[in-house]
Amino acid sequence: AQSVAQPEDQVNVAEGNPLTVKCTYSVSGNPYLFWYVQYPNRGLQFLLKYITGDNLVKGSYGFEAEFNKSQTSFHLKKPSALVSDSALYFCAVRDVNQAGTALIFGKGTTLSVSS
Amino acid sequence: GAGVSQTPSNKVTEKGKYVELRCDPISGHTALYWYRQSLGQGPEFLIYFQGTGAADDSGLPNDRFFAVRPEGSVSTLKIQRTERGDSAVYLCASSFGGATGELFFGEGSRLTVL
Repeated sequence: AQSVAQPEDQVNVAEGNPLTVKCTYSVSGNPYLFWYVQYPNRGLQFLLKYITGDNLVKGSYGFEAEFNKSQTSFHLKKPSALVSDSALYFCAVRDVNQAGTALIFGKGTTLSVSS
Repeated sequence: GAGVSQTPSNKVTEKGKYVELRCDPISGHTALYWYRQSLGQGPEFLIYFQGTGAADDSGLPNDRFFAVRPEGSVSTLKIQRTERGDSAVYLCASSFGGATGELFFGEGSRLTVL
């Protein structure tokens, strides 16, 4: 069965500093990987995804993520954090070899950016 | 509409009552998903439709939960004999189908069982 781990409940960074939100995954085959963001009292918004090809994927709002197959990781990064980036971030995975299965989410990481 | 629409946005009910939650997906999206999110937790998968049929219902917690999508568009999540532990935000999402497509989420239906 596929699973996702987000080892940090909360990440705190100062505005202007780089940020990293960690994600590791477990699937039996190859993964499709996604990052979503959730602002208070709002639905989840898609940020970026890794399907195949270049391990570094770029997404919305200046975010990027790096797929590392050997470490089974897909960490979310941004070179310079903004206070408005403060939100709840979710990593999600789907197993390529299990067509017809749903996207499985991690428990989320709260990002807090201070001014 | 432009996005995924969920109704009601808020539902308060008493233990033991029956509840229906509705999801209207983005036009043209063939796949529809239901998730449940409790406070401080990630979305927990419930059921996934491809067209009218349930492609994966392995996340439904027990037989009190049931979902339908009779015409391949609107879906209804039905909860019988509600329990206090069913209190959560129920999220619906849709996509074009296929494993690579991102999901587009509605804002959720907050269910409170007293």
